[in-house]
Amino acid sequence: GQQVMQIPQYQHVQEGEDFTTYCNSSTTLSNIQWYKQRPGGHPVFLIQLVKSGEVKKQKRLTFQFGEAKKNSSLHITATQTTDVGTYFCAGMNRDDKIIFGKGTRLHILP
Amino acid sequence: NAGVTQTPKFQVLKTGQSMTLQCAQDMNHEYMSWYRQDPGMGLRLIHYSVGAGITDQGEVPNGYNVSRSTTEDFPLRLLSAAPSQTSVYFCASSYSETGVGETQYFGPGTRLLVL
Repeated sequence: GQQVMQIPQYQHVQEGEDFTTYCNSSTTLSNIQWYKQRPGGHPVFLIQLVKSGEVKKQKRLTFQFGEAKKNSSLHITATQTTDVGTYFCAGMNRDDKIIFGKGTRLHILP
Repeated sequence: NAGVTQTPKFQVLKTGQSMTLQCAQDMNHEYMSWYRQDPGMGLRLIHYSVGAGITDQGEVPNGYNVSRSTTEDFPLRLLSAAPSQTSVYFCASSYSETGVGETQYFGPGTRLLVL
């Protein structure tokens, strides 16, 4: 079946360093969403990308959707301790099924 | 608005027991779904509903039943709990009937331990 692969699984960065997580699908996606889950919390919607090659920014976060609509990335510039958590991508396939990646857990070293 | 609420927050069951996880939303959302989250496995869709009276299976439906008698409520039933069902369960809802491209709002989760 269709899979959405997310890498890396874990990432430790020094506070102030940049962070990137990547999401890759085996098939073309209709759209992709990104969520953040704080430790012990629930997933919270961050953004949705729909168009091929789309780039969206939210303060220090930059989201990108690939030209082929099979991959996406989330980049955080100058990480802060508040960025700690697990970041999930969720792709919508052509059958309107939402498939979540396994997430990237970000840990910030002070 | 309370958003998406789930009860209970924690539950311990013995193998073979049954229980119902409650989920309610007050945003008049048509689309509701249940996920389970296990370490290293991300979120996996159990069942979903595109409106009252309509339900469908997700990726991991075995061992779970759902019903949708009202727009607001979407309970998840475990008929005979098994240790493999130990997990964190999240309910989510979104506005559109199909959930296509719509923001999903997640509830706080239910942590279930089956002994």
